[in-house]
Order: sequence, then structure tokens, then C-alpha cells
Amino acid sequence: GDSVTQMEGPVTLSEEAFLTINCTYTATGYPSLFWYVQYPGEGLQLLLKATKADDKGSNKGFEATYRKETTSFHLEKGSVQVSDSAVYFCALPAMDSSYKLIFGSGTRLLVRP
Amino acid sequence: GAVVSQHPSRVICKSGTSVKIECRSLDFQATTMFWYRQFPKQSLMLMATSNEGSKATYEQGVEKDKFLINHASLTLSTLTVTSAHPEDSSFYICSARKTGAGELFFGEGSRLTVL
Repeated sequence: GDSVTQMEGPVTLSEEAFLTINCTYTATGYPSLFWYVQYPGEGLQLLLKATKADDKGSNKGFEATYRKETTSFHLEKGSVQVSDSAVYFCALPAMDSSYKLIFGSGTRLLVRP
Repeated sequence: GAVVSQHPSRVICKSGTSVKIECRSLDFQATTMFWYRQFPKQSLMLMATSNEGSKATYEQGVEKDKFLINHASLTLSTLTVTSAHPEDSSFYICSARKTGAGELFFGEGSRLTVL
């Protein structure tokens, strides 16, 4: 079945460092891909998405490119801030037309000043 | 933007009591809502799909008599944890699908602590 695999965290970086959080997926066809962010004590927010191969989603300095060749959707940011400390989830929709999302296990990012 | 609100954000209850958590879409109609449970190591588990006007669809392994879901209107779904026990303590998150669109919007979560 469809699935999402994320790198294990926590990822600890200093402010202004470069961030990569790896995400690979297994799916039938070419689903839309999403990154969600969860700040401490809060629910999830959509960070960015890509709807087809080679699309690049971007928001708040974060980017991710839909790579069908490597079935990947890695999240990147050139210069992280303390306020980026959160848990990041990669996700794709279930293919049963139920609108369910299949989430990766989440990667916790801690940015130190 | 679309806003989904959960209430209460935090609740503490005694073992054996029941607790109701509400999920409301504030500025849009949501035919479908989803309930997730988040475990301490952050992984999200989909518990059930809630459809307005019909019975919820539960994921495998989720006790439907334990976690009662009601979706009585296009803007409200409720999750009732019946006869709560300490192992039910968790962070419960709902999401709502805007009718006619595919994007999901998430509530801010409700932390349940059962003593």
C-alpha cells in the first residue's frame, strides 16, 4: 500500500544553518505530496504542497521538489530560524478517494540560537 | 483562510468518565472530518472518518464503542471518549475537508489526560 518514510529526528541545527529533511514515498500513480508543520502544543498546518512531478512547493523559505524518479519530496530551507523549531510531517493522500492523508512519522527540528 | 477549531484544548478527567471533544469548521462547510490520535513520539494515527449525516468509518483496531463520533452538521463533529482510562490520555487532532475541495484543514488539537 501507499506509504511515506521520513528521516528520524530529532534534527538539531544552529540558527542560519541549512536544513534538509528527507521524505520518500511509495504510491500507485503520482499523488499530490504535502509537508505539514506542527508547532509545540498546536495542530498541523499545511506548509507546502506539490501536485505533479517536478513541481516545487514553497512557503516561508521552505522548498520541496516532487521527484518521481527517486520518489522523493525532501524539505529544504537555506537558513533556519529558532522559530522553525517544530515537527514536520510529509504526507500523501490515500488512493481510495477517501481524502485521507497518509503521514510519515514526523521529524522533530530543534533550532538553537 | 479556513479555520478549524477544537474544544476543549485541554481536559483532565477521572478514570471511568466520558469526555466529549468538539471539532468545528468556523468559516466553511465540511462534509468530511477526520479524527487523529497523536502518540508521545509524535506519530499520527487516523482513528476514523466522520461523514455528515452518516455513521463514521473507523480504522482497523479502533474501538467504535469506545470512541463515539457524531457528525451532526456540516460544521461540527464530536469525538466522545467513553469510560476513559489512563491509556486513553493523548493528543487528539481533527481535520476537516472543505466541501468541494480536496485540501484538509486541521484543528489545534485537544490534550486529554485521564487520571
